Amino acid sequence: GENVEQHPSTLSVQEGDSAVIKCTYSDSASNYFPWYKQELGKGPQLIIDIRSNVGEKKDQRIAVTLNKTAKHFSLHITETQPEDSAVYFCAATADDDMRFGAGTRLTVKP
Amino acid sequence: SAVISQKPSRDICQRGTSLTIQCQVDSQVTMMFWYRQQPGQSLTLIATANQGSEATYESGFVIDKFPISRPNLTFSTLTVSNMSPEDSSIYLCSVDGRWSGRTQYFGPGTRLTVL
Repeated sequence: GENVEQHPSTLSVQEGDSAVIKCTYSDSASNYFPWYKQELGKGPQLIIDIRSNVGEKKDQRIAVTLNKTAKHFSLHITETQPEDSAVYFCAATADDDMRFGAGTRLTVKP
Repeated sequence: SAVISQKPSRDICQRGTSLTIQCQVDSQVTMMFWYRQQPGQSLTLIATANQGSEATYESGFVIDKFPISRPNLTFSTLTVSNMSPEDSSIYLCSVDGRWSGRTQYFGPGTRLTVL
């Protein structure tokens, strides 16, 4: 089955800096890659996603890149703000089977 | 996206008892999923619940321990049976993204503590 690895497990940045979270996947059949943000005491919220026929997608300060050949994808957050502090999960989906990375705890220091 | 609610939001239970968690969606969805998230950990799929059929359980999860109902296209329940402290987790339901294909939208979760 699919195995998703996510790095780093924790990330601390200064407000205004950029943050990058990286994931790799094992199943070449995976073709949908969402990213979720989970704030304390809440369920995961979808923040951006990318499909295998696209290499990059951007939504304001958030961007995701996908390298299908290398089987890795990354989340980029620019101009970070304290409210970006949360746990971020990547996921890879083949058919209806979605597997999650271990999560990255991002802390943005004001 | 769908509006998903879960009840209860949190509970403290005694070992050996059972708790039923409800998941309600504001629109009809084909697939509903139940996840467990242990403290500080990632999300682990327990089972997939489709209306009108038996739930499909992932390896390591069994129906006797986690019975699931899916009586219609907007509602599902997960029961955690004969609880032990190891069952202390956040339990999350999610629904398939019929609006954007293949994504999943999550409820707020149920925080369960077993003493």
